[in-house]
Amino acid sequence: ETGVTQSPTHLIKTRGQQVTLRCSSQSGHNTVSWYQQALGQGPQFIFQYYREEENGRGNFPPRFSGLQFPNYSSELNVNALELDDSALYLCASSRASEMRGRKDEQYFGPGTRLTVT
Amino acid sequence: KQEVTQIPAALSVPEGENLVLNCSFTDSAIYNLQWFRQDPGKGLTSLLLIQSSQREQTSGRLNASLDKSSGRSTLYIAASQPGDSATYLCAVRGRGSTLGRLYFGRGTQLTVWP
Repeated sequence: ETGVTQSPTHLIKTRGQQVTLRCSSQSGHNTVSWYQQALGQGPQFIFQYYREEENGRGNFPPRFSGLQFPNYSSELNVNALELDDSALYLCASSRASEMRGRKDEQYFGPGTRLTVT
Repeated sequence: KQEVTQIPAALSVPEGENLVLNCSFTDSAIYNLQWFRQDPGKGLTSLLLIQSSQREQTSGRLNASLDKSSGRSTLYIAASQPGDSATYLCAVRGRGSTLGRLYFGRGTQLTVWP
């Protein structure tokens, strides 16, 4: 167990709908990254949040957006769902240290399985 | 752009065999490399993390090596057991990035039968 939790576990949505996925970071962690893992693929980086601001984004359209809250928990929002958005969404938390200028090891949650029909 | 490749894509072996899983990456300017285990439909469990300055890391029956200059890493599993059956993912973190973004391979699906 990593201490990173995600909700819900499973979700079924219809094409065109909107969805919000949630992640609670491990205690002491201030950085959250989101990844999308399609069936049979490796996880793909969506974006990362540090101190409540987006700190980099992968090759995903603007309909993928996020938030990080003062307690470092995070949300991933996806608008106008498409069938290809069906995947396992993984959240990872880590503790960034500005003094050391690096991001520490990331710890992954169990994921949310999203199915778009 | 960093590309990570894992070979083989799938492996099926009898219990007790010693195994080698391979990972290669195109940009050798990495900060570290991490091996994960993923059970079906589950999240990722970190197995070993090797910093760019290190050559190998060991944990129990697992040993991971890193040859940064050639862009390769291997995960060695000794005396495999049915409980080792899972998908093993390799991920690298780029040195130039301040994001801590991980680049993943597609994984090796391992089946160990009794």
